[in-house]
Amino acid sequence: GQSLEQPSEVTAVEGAIVQINCTYQTSGFYGLSWYQQHDGGAPTFLSYNGLDGLEETGRFSSFLSRSDSYGYLLLQELQMKDSASYFCAVRPLFSGGYNKLIFGAGTRLAVHP
Amino acid sequence: DVKVTQSSRYLVKRTGEKVFLECVQDMDHENMFWYRQDPGLGLRLIYFSYDVKMKEKGDIPEGYSVSREKKERFSLILESASTNQTSMYLCASSPPPGTGGYEQYFGPGTRLTVT
Repeated sequence: GQSLEQPSEVTAVEGAIVQINCTYQTSGFYGLSWYQQHDGGAPTFLSYNGLDGLEETGRFSSFLSRSDSYGYLLLQELQMKDSASYFCAVRPLFSGGYNKLIFGAGTRLAVHP
Repeated sequence: DVKVTQSSRYLVKRTGEKVFLECVQDMDHENMFWYRQDPGLGLRLIYFSYDVKMKEKGDIPEGYSVSREKKERFSLILESASTNQTSMYLCASSPPPGTGGYEQYFGPGTRLTVT
């Protein structure tokens, strides 16, 4: 089976750095993605790790270690607008050519002044 | 920009009614998906479609059916709505992997309440 675990809530202050972890149990997958969702909004794609290592996109970075069954999203220089829910997702090997994703339950990030 | 639209943002239906949720995408994507989102459970896949008239069950298909008569449109059908189907429903589309990236593009969601 496939399962992804994330902390349910994280709190941080403006300007700080926060790391949201995602641990998974899966028989195999193509890559790990991260999505952001503001209250009342649609999930939007943030990053994708197809290979182990760090991917950086502006203030956001994402990391994957397949040997440790672990990934994380790193948010730097936090801003109030970063308050949102963050979901990790994997595309299982059995999904074939369909780009099917399995999502974690999400982490709600609250950024305070 | 890719645009995925859903027919309603909010919908209230009675138990036993047949409910249609419509989703349209404008990027000629082959793959389309229907999820439901509930607090603490994340996004759970109901059905997906990889081509016109083709569909596959997701993780929680019971009580739902789908229709894809045109490439741009993917409909979710609740044959007989029940209160446990009260939820946020999200539609998404994506190109096949390896052609346009790994991203799924989501619509704004339909919050369905069944009373």
